[in-house]
Amino acid sequence: ELKVEQNPLFLSMQEGKNYTIYCNYSTTSDRLYWYRQDPGKSLESLFVLLSNGAVKQEGRLMASLDTKARLSTLHITAAVHDLSATYFCAVVFTGNQFYFGTGTSLTVIP
Amino acid sequence: EADIYQTPRYLVIGTGKKITLECSQTMGHDKMYWYQQDPGMELHLIHYSYGVNSTEKGDLSSESTVSRIRTEHFPLTLESARPSHTSQYLCASRDSGYTQYFGPGTRLTVL
Repeated sequence: ELKVEQNPLFLSMQEGKNYTIYCNYSTTSDRLYWYRQDPGKSLESLFVLLSNGAVKQEGRLMASLDTKARLSTLHITAAVHDLSATYFCAVVFTGNQFYFGTGTSLTVIP
Repeated sequence: EADIYQTPRYLVIGTGKKITLECSQTMGHDKMYWYQQDPGMELHLIHYSYGVNSTEKGDLSSESTVSRIRTEHFPLTLESARPSHTSQYLCASRDSGYTQYFGPGTRLTVL
């Protein structure tokens, strides 16, 4: 069965703290995506990870991919309020079908 | 800058009506997608297209159909809307570098 699981589902963190969101998937894939969604809005592409060991960073967010462990992480450094949003990972398993994780709702508290 | 458009943005209709949700992109992307998303939940793939005259069903085809007569246009049609179709519908296109660009979405309510 094709599954993409994220944890935690909900995350409340204080400004200035660090935290990691995890994305596990069930079947081999070498393409993983991270998206951000603000309430009532559409999705914004954050990162595309295309190979084992890939690491990408943008501002306070850093994403990595371990294809052998079928695991991707999204690390948040020194969180700020503007990072409050829902974060989704997505994996392409067969052809061009994208499978999305359940999302992690992040709230950064002052 | 990604240019992908969806209309209408909001739609309230009665049960049994036929509706078409429009999606257009000006980036020349071959691959396009339709997703359904309930509030706060994950996205489910409804249909996708590799290019003109090429369409495939996703895991959640939800009694809808799509067409791809032109590269830039990928409309989604619900033949007979039901309250269970109430959701947000997101259209996306993908570039050759594997990045997906999403439209603003259509919020559909079926009474």
